[in-house]
Amino acid sequence: KQEVTQIPAALSVPEGENLVLNCSFTDSAIYNLQWFRQDPGKGLTSLLLIQSSQREQTSGRLNASLDKSSGRSTLYIAASQPGDSATYLCAVETDSWGKLQFGAGTQVVVTP
Amino acid sequence: SQTIHQWPATLVQPVGSPLSLECTVEGTSNPNLYWYRQAAGRGLQLLFYSVGIGQISSEVPQNLSASRPQDRQFILSSKKLLLSDSGFYLCAGQGREEKLFFGSGTQLSVL
Repeated sequence: KQEVTQIPAALSVPEGENLVLNCSFTDSAIYNLQWFRQDPGKGLTSLLLIQSSQREQTSGRLNASLDKSSGRSTLYIAASQPGDSATYLCAVETDSWGKLQFGAGTQVVVTP
Repeated sequence: SQTIHQWPATLVQPVGSPLSLECTVEGTSNPNLYWYRQAAGRGLQLLFYSVGIGQISSEVPQNLSASRPQDRQFILSSKKLLLSDSGFYLCAGQGREEKLFFGSGTQLSVL
């Protein structure tokens, strides 16, 4: 059974610092891996999707890497801003049906 | 653009009462639809998914059921709520693109 773990569970950094969020999964047979942002009282926003054949994806200040063989992904957020404060979720898709296995998330607080 | 309308945002229900949560989809046809639940301190867990009208697959045994009476309507129900049904319920969809899109969620408290 696929298990997804996110470390740390919570993170607080001053504005301007780079953020590093880690995600690990137990079964390397994945279809893709996705990073989401969750704001309180709101749904999820998709940030990056990495196909199993890819090593990384970038969008603006966000960069996500994928090492399928070791079962790890890392989300980097450069030059953090208070608006980056949210919970970040990692999820793996193990088939093409869109079913995701989520980690418990990393709660990020960026202080001004 | 693809969007999901999900309501209500919060709901407080007594133990033993029925439940009906609905989500509707706009901006795509024949989407795959999903119901997820997030219990306190835990990750989102897939409860049900549907690839078409009347087609429902359950991922975990539970006190809940799902129905898809129309292409862009997905309903989560319970005849009698349990305390353990409390949590954050999220409806999601997948259209022609692979990225999922989500509703805003319902925070359910069963007391």
